[in-house]
Amino acid sequence: DVKVTQSSRYLVKRTGEKVFLECVQDMDHENMFWYRQDPGLGLRLIYFSYDVKMKEKGDIPEGYSVSREKKERFSLILESASTNQTSMYLCASSLSDRGTSGRYNEQFFGPGTRLTVL
Amino acid sequence: GEDVEQSLFLSVREGDSSVINCTYTDSSSTYLYWYKQEPGAGLQLLTYIFSNMDMKQDQRLTVLLNKKDKHLSLRIADTQTGDSAIYFCAETSLSNYQLIWGAGTKLIIKP
Repeated sequence: DVKVTQSSRYLVKRTGEKVFLECVQDMDHENMFWYRQDPGLGLRLIYFSYDVKMKEKGDIPEGYSVSREKKERFSLILESASTNQTSMYLCASSLSDRGTSGRYNEQFFGPGTRLTVL
Repeated sequence: GEDVEQSLFLSVREGDSSVINCTYTDSSSTYLYWYKQEPGAGLQLLTYIFSNMDMKQDQRLTVLLNKKDKHLSLRIADTQTGDSAIYFCAETSLSNYQLIWGAGTKLIIKP
């Protein structure tokens, strides 16, 4: 089974702090994604990476940065946390081809990190 | 850009069928997925359909695809309390790394 883990389930930080959210996958997936989820807005893509050291901006990259130094690990960084970044953060990974399932771009998710910025 | 739309809420009685609808705009859409998110958890793939299919059945789940109208539906027969969750529709094509997501439909079960 594909396993995607996130470093924390719950996190409370103060405005202005630097925040690191870590995601690790164990299935050698090329693609990794960071989303935030807010009620009524669904999943919004922050950044994604299709290879080590490669990153692409998603729909809402402002206030965030990412790092992918190893294939299995994708980190989301909030340089200076603000209260409007209080949200559920979800990490996902996928293969670049259909793999054995035949399901193209199927994404596997971690359990999420609920971040509260005070 | 491409878009996927779903209604935000659906309320059904326990034992009834639930039908969650989704519309999409990408005419090159190849794979369509339904993900389920239980409270406090990440998303898990529930079922899927390829664009060359009209229907797929898997136990209590039936997926219908109308390519002409770009309409996808998920029917859950005999809805149970354990079906309470948010259901996300997503689509992708061969020219894309990403899934395009709907906003999610929260399924509420009434006793």
